[in-house]
Amino acid sequence: GDSVTQMEGPVTLSEEACLTINCTYTATGYPSLFWYVQYPGEGLQLLLKATKADDKGSNKGFEATYRKETTSFHLEKGSVQVSDSAVYFCALYTGGFKTIFGAGTRLFVKA
Amino acid sequence: EAQVTQNPRYLITVTGKKLTVTCSQNMNHEYMSWYRQDPGLGLRQIYYSMNVEVTDKGDVPEGYKVSRKEKRNFPLILESPSPNQTSLYFCASSLSPAGNYEQYFGPGTRLTVT
Repeated sequence: GDSVTQMEGPVTLSEEACLTINCTYTATGYPSLFWYVQYPGEGLQLLLKATKADDKGSNKGFEATYRKETTSFHLEKGSVQVSDSAVYFCALYTGGFKTIFGAGTRLFVKA
Repeated sequence: EAQVTQNPRYLITVTGKKLTVTCSQNMNHEYMSWYRQDPGLGLRQIYYSMNVEVTDKGDVPEGYKVSRKEKRNFPLILESPSPNQTSLYFCASSLSPAGNYEQYFGPGTRLTVT
């Protein structure tokens, strides 16, 4: 069945370091891909999305490119801030009424 | 302000005592969903609703009930809670049942069943 695999955390970085959180997927058809972010004590909120191959989603300095050939949607940011500390979820939608979420990757950014 | 609200935010209860977690959205969204979040497992869908009076099971529906009598409300009911239902619960809504649309999440309800 359809699934999402994210790199395990936690990921700990110093402020201004580069971030990559890996996400790969298994899906039939042509899924839409999402990254959601969960700040401490809050619900998830959409960070970015891509709906077809080679699309790049971007928001708040984060980027992710939909790579069909490698079935990946890695999240990247060139310079992280303390305020980026959160849990990041990769997700996919292939049709029907269901979105499948990965296990989440916790990011800690130190000042 | 557009939002999804859940109540209560925290709940400690005992095995077998029926409880309801309320969820309400003010965005006139058709689609609503309940998830539970457990460490290492991410979010798993419990139930979803495509519109009023239309609901269906997600991946982990056992032990839960839902209803959708009004478009804005989607309560989650645990008729006889058990300790394995201790979890963090999120309600979400979106404009359309099609998953391409952004889901808006409530702040979560942390439930402990002893």
